[in-house]
Amino acid sequence: DADVTQTPRNRITKTGKRIMLECSQTKGHDRMYWYRQDPGLGLRLIYYSFDVKDINKGEISDGYSVSRQAQAKFSLSLESAIPNQTALYFCATSDPGQPQHFGDGTRLSIL
Amino acid sequence: QQQVKQSPQSLIVQKGGISIINCAYENTAFDYFPWYQQFPGKGPALLIAIRPDVSEKKEGRFTISFNKSAKQFSLHIMDSQPGDSATYFCAASKGDGGSQGNLIFGKGTKLSVKP
Repeated sequence: DADVTQTPRNRITKTGKRIMLECSQTKGHDRMYWYRQDPGLGLRLIYYSFDVKDINKGEISDGYSVSRQAQAKFSLSLESAIPNQTALYFCATSDPGQPQHFGDGTRLSIL
Repeated sequence: QQQVKQSPQSLIVQKGGISIINCAYENTAFDYFPWYQQFPGKGPALLIAIRPDVSEKKEGRFTISFNKSAKQFSLHIMDSQPGDSATYFCAASKGDGGSQGNLIFGKGTKLSVKP
């Protein structure tokens, strides 16, 4: 089983819909992150959490929200999806001072 | 403001050749510089990383060269193989005690190694 699991792997939805992307990890890491990847733009940080009671905005948090339900679970929500949120979304985990480990991503298309 | 600039955007190398990808950063507080490798359909995976107290780090065919005064670092892939074909991202972060804060990524380089 993968250490960092993202669900769903692919999602097509319509403008205005609420969407939740989920991330779970078996690595026991305290820190979890959500990134967005767009062609030619690299990865940009949306939100991050250093422990269950800690939530921080990243570079591009507008239009997104997160919930850290447990140490192992970190979900990303789009309250009202818009087409320019079409992208690849990655969850990552780490311990302090250690490399980040990424899931295999969720490909989200908003029509 | 882009804090980590990566070049080239794409690179084609013959099998056995040397692949070189360059990155430049602006923030002198950065103290951790990793390179990630990403294959299609997969998430980025840490390839090699360096801290500013050394000028070079080698792991197998992969070498990071670091120039603190120029605020530049580069990835060299020696004896490039078709299996190295992937997208490579440089990144940088700052933190106290060497902890990874927020990674700032370059825009990526798509490497194709031709047989």
